[in-house]
Amino acid sequence: GEDVEQSLFLSVREGDSSVINCTYTDSSSTYLYWYKQEPGAGLQLLTYIFSNMDMKQDQRLTVLLNKKDKHLSLRIADTQTGDSAIYFCAESSTDSWGKLQFGAGTQVVVTP
Amino acid sequence: DGGITQSPKYLFRKEGQNVTLSCEQNLNHDAMYWYRQDPGQGLRLIYYSQIVNDFQKGDIAEGYSVSREKKESFPLTVTSAQKNPTAFYLCASSTLGQLSSYEQYFGPGTRLTVT
Repeated sequence: GEDVEQSLFLSVREGDSSVINCTYTDSSSTYLYWYKQEPGAGLQLLTYIFSNMDMKQDQRLTVLLNKKDKHLSLRIADTQTGDSAIYFCAESSTDSWGKLQFGAGTQVVVTP
Repeated sequence: DGGITQSPKYLFRKEGQNVTLSCEQNLNHDAMYWYRQDPGQGLRLIYYSQIVNDFQKGDIAEGYSVSREKKESFPLTVTSAQKNPTAFYLCASSTLGQLSSYEQYFGPGTRLTVT
């Protein structure tokens, strides 16, 4: 099947920017998503981007998409301790009928 | 308030017993999904349903069963045939169709422990 890959861990200092990276293999991807999961909770949709866009900004979040390299990133500006969580990227494609393919998640730890 | 509810939050069962996890949504979404999450791992799709009275197997359907008798409800039964049922179970829903961006909204999860 198609793969979505993420680095497993990121440590960042409070106030700095965090950048979480994701690569995918499906060339027919239509939408790409970022989710946040806090301990013991469900996944919270943060943002998503249509595959014909290369950037989307939403308050402290900036998504960059390089479709040629199949690379997606999520930048969190002014990272706070409340941003400590697991971040999942996911993609849907034209033939997936609504199913999403998730990466394994990146654990982000924010240190004071 | 629109959303997805899962109950209970924690569930304990003895080995050999079937157990049913509840998932309800009031978002009027067509599609519903069940995922399993093991510690330190991503999500694996168990079953999904795009319409009432129809559902399809995901990647790890063995030992699980579902029903979709109402649009709002998609219960998951973990049967005694599931070899390793202890996990965190997540339900999600989404719209479908040409105008959909297919983003899935998740419930709070049910942590099942089988001993």
